[in-house]
Amino acid sequence: AQSVAQPEDQVNVAEGNPLTVKCTYSVSGNPYLFWYVQYPNRGLQFLLKYITGDNLVKGSYGFEAEFNKSQTSFHLKKPSALVSDSALYFCAVRDIMGGGNKLTFGTGTQLKVEL
Amino acid sequence: ETGVTQTPRHLVMGMTNKKSLKCEQHLGHNAMYWYKQSAKKPLELMFVYSLEERVENNSVPSRFSPECPNSSHLFLHLHTLQPEDSALYLCASSQDHRGSYEQYFGPGTRLTVT
Repeated sequence: AQSVAQPEDQVNVAEGNPLTVKCTYSVSGNPYLFWYVQYPNRGLQFLLKYITGDNLVKGSYGFEAEFNKSQTSFHLKKPSALVSDSALYFCAVRDIMGGGNKLTFGTGTQLKVEL
Repeated sequence: ETGVTQTPRHLVMGMTNKKSLKCEQHLGHNAMYWYKQSAKKPLELMFVYSLEERVENNSVPSRFSPECPNSSHLFLHLHTLQPEDSALYLCASSQDHRGSYEQYFGPGTRLTVT
């Protein structure tokens, strides 16, 4: 079985400060990992993904995420937050071997960036 | 139109009504999905279609009936719904339903069952 956990319901950051949104996962094999962002009254937008190779993945809007196999984590980061980054962020995982057709999402983390 | 579109954006229906949600993808993808998004809960995968064939039915009640007439269109037919079915229904598509392909989502249909 595959699962993903986002331990923080909300993260508050001041504009210009670095931000981190946490994600841990559980799979029986190796994972494909994804981050999505959802703005109010919109669908989810793809930010970045980890498939294999370099553990640091760069994505849209200056976001990046680091895959850490030993800690089974895939935290989302940005060096300098913007007010416009305020949104709901979802981590998702698929087990390469046993995940079938299913992408499992976390419960989401609300990011609030304040002036 | 680009990306994934959904109509209607908002829908209010009584428990005895029949309605349909429509999704269209303009990305040339082979796989399409229906998800249910409720507050404070993870996204719930409902159905997966690959080249018009249903490949996943995630224990969804029969009052939800999907239809995929071609690889660009996906419908969700609704009948005799319950108030707990009120949610945001999201459609998505991807190049393939397997592997590492990311999914592209529509804006969703906000459904309220009265």
